[in-house]
Amino acid sequence: AQKVTQAQTEISVVEKEDVTLDCVYETRDTTYYLFWYKQPPSGELVFLIRRNSFDEQNEISGRYSWNFQKSTSSFNFTITASQVVDSAVYFCALSEAYVMKTSYDKVIFGPGTSLSVIP
Amino acid sequence: NAGVTQTPKFQVLKTGQSMTLQCAQDMNHEYMSWYRQDPGMGLRLIHYSVGAGITDQGEVPNGYNVSRSTTEDFPLRLLSAAPSQTSVYFCASSYGQGNTIYFGEGSWLTVV
Repeated sequence: AQKVTQAQTEISVVEKEDVTLDCVYETRDTTYYLFWYKQPPSGELVFLIRRNSFDEQNEISGRYSWNFQKSTSSFNFTITASQVVDSAVYFCALSEAYVMKTSYDKVIFGPGTSLSVIP
Repeated sequence: NAGVTQTPKFQVLKTGQSMTLQCAQDMNHEYMSWYRQDPGMGLRLIHYSVGAGITDQGEVPNGYNVSRSTTEDFPLRLLSAAPSQTSVYFCASSYGQGNTIYFGEGSWLTVV
């Protein structure tokens, strides 16, 4: 069965510290997609990254980086030199690829990790 | 550059009342969906649509109804509001399987 675990419910760091948010997923499919979304205090959901199961290259975007390891079913997110604006809830999500067009790719979201960056 | 637009942003309902949450997207996405977000439970899928005229139930469909008469619009109807439906609702759209899902700004609904 599909499942996404974000074991860290809340994390607090001091500004400029690095922080890693963990995401562990379960799936029986060989083709799947992983996502990270950010939900700032204002409430909207902001897309950060999408990764398919065949691309294990790590990705870096500014202060953000993602480490995808199929061997451990993990897709961890690291923020380098954190800033107060990084304070938000971060969601990891998993989408399995269905063969039938009429089947919806049911995206399963993890429970989220609340990150507080203290000035 | 509107993306996914949902209205209203805030609403207070009395138990038993009905209402419709509106959702529109201008990205020509085939897939649209409604999620609800409750504390500690992440996002749960209510209903979804893979194209105009096609809808289906998600994880928590009871008490909600949807229709998809056009590609752009996907309204969510609460038939008889209950306090358990107090939540934040998100409309979302995407091109299809495995593609990025884009969310609306959310609708905060309180049922008293």
